[in-house]
Amino acid sequence: EVQLVESGGGLVQPGGSLRLACAASGFTVSTNYMTWVRQAPGKGLEWVAEIYSGGSTYYADSVKGRFTISRHNSKNTLYVQMNSLRPEDTAVYYCARVEDSSGYYFFDYWGQGTLVTVSS
Amino acid sequence: DIQLTQSPSSLSASVGDRVTITCRASQYMNTYLNWYQQKPGKAPKLLIYAASSLQSGVPSRFSGSGSGTDFTLTISSLQPEDFATYYCQQSFITPRTFGQGTKVEI
Repeated sequence: EVQLVESGGGLVQPGGSLRLACAASGFTVSTNYMTWVRQAPGKGLEWVAEIYSGGSTYYADSVKGRFTISRHNSKNTLYVQMNSLRPEDTAVYYCARVEDSSGYYFFDYWGQGTLVTVSS
Repeated sequence: DIQLTQSPSSLSASVGDRVTITCRASQYMNTYLNWYQQKPGKAPKLLIYAASSLQSGVPSRFSGSGSGTDFTLTISSLQPEDFATYYCQQSFITPRTFGQGTKVEI
């Protein structure tokens, strides 16, 4: 059974850093594309970052230069390192698996989310 | 970046109603369009991918159509468990943008 479990959320001051983890089971993180999506309180979904199986990474403009997506193959875990945090980064952060069906990509499994609050 | 505009932003419907949600893209994107359902406090759930392919385990009352810039999600007969917020999302290019959401209320 595919499962994704996020951890690492919490309260952090503006300008601070936080690293979120997404532990996967039932599939191999390194052979899949993986993504982070966030949702500010009461708002819609925002794609944040993605890592391809080959290691290429992509970011939303709103986090480029501040966030880094990575993975640890032996731990089968996805990460996002978030630096220079701003109040507008406050959100529930979800990790998701990116499935590929004949070149069509979609997010088929999601974690339960972890809340990041950036506030003084 | 591709902008996705959903309409309506919210709608009220009754059990048994046929519901249609539209998603318009700011540029051509073939059929690289997905639909998700989200209930309060829960992670999104994939309903439709590649504009019209039903994800495994999703009830057949959900269907998707469209190509190019205009897409539709249809719920043929609304059930109590379908009251939720629905999002479209494009996978044509990164950033993989989402629509702003459509809240389906009783």
